[in-house]
Amino acid sequence: NAGVTQTPKFRVLKTGQSMTLLCAQDMNHEYMYWYRQDPGMGLRLIHYSVGEGTTAKGEVPDGYNVSRLKKQNFLLGLESAAPSQTSVYFCASSRRGTSNQPQHFGDGTRLSIL
Amino acid sequence: KQEVTQIPAALSVPEGENLVLNCSFTDSAIYNLQWFRQDPGKGLTSLLLIQSSQREQTSGRLNASLDKSSGRSTLYIAASQPGDSATYLCAALNYGGATNKLIFGTGTLLAVQP
Repeated sequence: NAGVTQTPKFRVLKTGQSMTLLCAQDMNHEYMYWYRQDPGMGLRLIHYSVGEGTTAKGEVPDGYNVSRLKKQNFLLGLESAAPSQTSVYFCASSRRGTSNQPQHFGDGTRLSIL
Repeated sequence: KQEVTQIPAALSVPEGENLVLNCSFTDSAIYNLQWFRQDPGKGLTSLLLIQSSQREQTSGRLNASLDKSSGRSTLYIAASQPGDSATYLCAALNYGGATNKLIFGTGTLLAVQP
């Protein structure tokens, strides 16, 4: 089983460039999430989606946009990359429900903004 | 606002030792408390999930406990092995409407020496 797949795995951008990170899950999960992980900060939620066609802001949404056009895919966009967005980005998914549904994570995208 | 803290930040033990990792949280209104393992350059793997109505969960050599009244969770690893070396993260899932908002600690880096 593939689980949660993130592409690309690594990317280097110049300030001001744009790019899209792709997350795909094959577990038919309703909920999907984008996190960033920075040293000493832990993982922080950027945006999330509770279903196809829906998105919502998380803890640190500024500078990012997302789309969930298909249930299995969740896209994270950077319109004008900034050095502060250098981070490791993780996508996760889970079933609908709250108290007993763990989140399943991809292996991350390592993004450097020069 | 929920804050999750993990102490110590790093821990080194000899193989075979039993050990305890600590996690504390400030807001006891949680759905569950989750423990994850993260290997270098990889995503997060869910280890144990304790629902708010539960006191503990066990999986193999791992046992996680939850005390909501004191805002604490512990992960007990019995008979540690070098393969247990990784970063261990705890995360609290807070009430947030229809969403699963996980708040992560910054992790404990565990090294088990052969």
